[in-house]
Amino acid sequence: AQKVTQAQTEISVVEKEDVTLDCVYETRDTTYYLFWYKQPPSGELVFLIRRNSFDEQNEISGRYSWNFQKSTSSFNFTITASQVVDSAVYFCALISSGSARQLTFGSGTQLTVLP
Amino acid sequence: NAGVTQTPKFQVLKTGQSMTLQCAQDMNHNSMYWYRQDPGMGLRLIYYSASEGTTDKGEVPNGYNVSRLNKREFSLRLESAAPSQTSVYFCASRLGQDNEQFFGPGTRLTVL
Repeated sequence: AQKVTQAQTEISVVEKEDVTLDCVYETRDTTYYLFWYKQPPSGELVFLIRRNSFDEQNEISGRYSWNFQKSTSSFNFTITASQVVDSAVYFCALISSGSARQLTFGSGTQLTVLP
Repeated sequence: NAGVTQTPKFQVLKTGQSMTLQCAQDMNHNSMYWYRQDPGMGLRLIYYSASEGTTDKGEVPNGYNVSRLNKREFSLRLESAAPSQTSVYFCASRLGQDNEQFFGPGTRLTVL
């Protein structure tokens, strides 16, 4: 069985602050893939990043960065200099071979960025 | 290139009514999925189709049926709607087993 835990249900920050969204996963497989999705107030789900279990390099894309640590089974997402437009629900998700390669989602973190 | 499209966007049903949610993708993806999203529970998989001609149950299949009509289209049917099926339904597709999924805009369904 696999599981994704996003312990932070809601986070509020003031614009320009940095914020980190936590994601902890569980899987028995050695090959797996981790994802982050964004769901803005309009409701659509937007793919942000995919990372496989053999690549522990951190990734940066503009103000977004991701820290993958296999030792702690975490795949955390940091937004630097947050903006109001970053307000959304963010989902972490996992695919592993043991789950018939189905995507398991965490329950999401509601991020509110205040002006 | 429209990606993943869903119809309708909104629907209100009475208990016991039936309806079909439509989904189509134009990305030539092999796999398609139906999820439901309920407050505080993330997305839960209802049914999926790993390839044209196959369908399988996900985490919460009871009360639903699906049809993979062709490679592009995957429909979800509620035969006898119940208030517990009030939710937002998302269709998704992906190219291969380990690739990211792309989601449609969702259908907000209310069952009275």
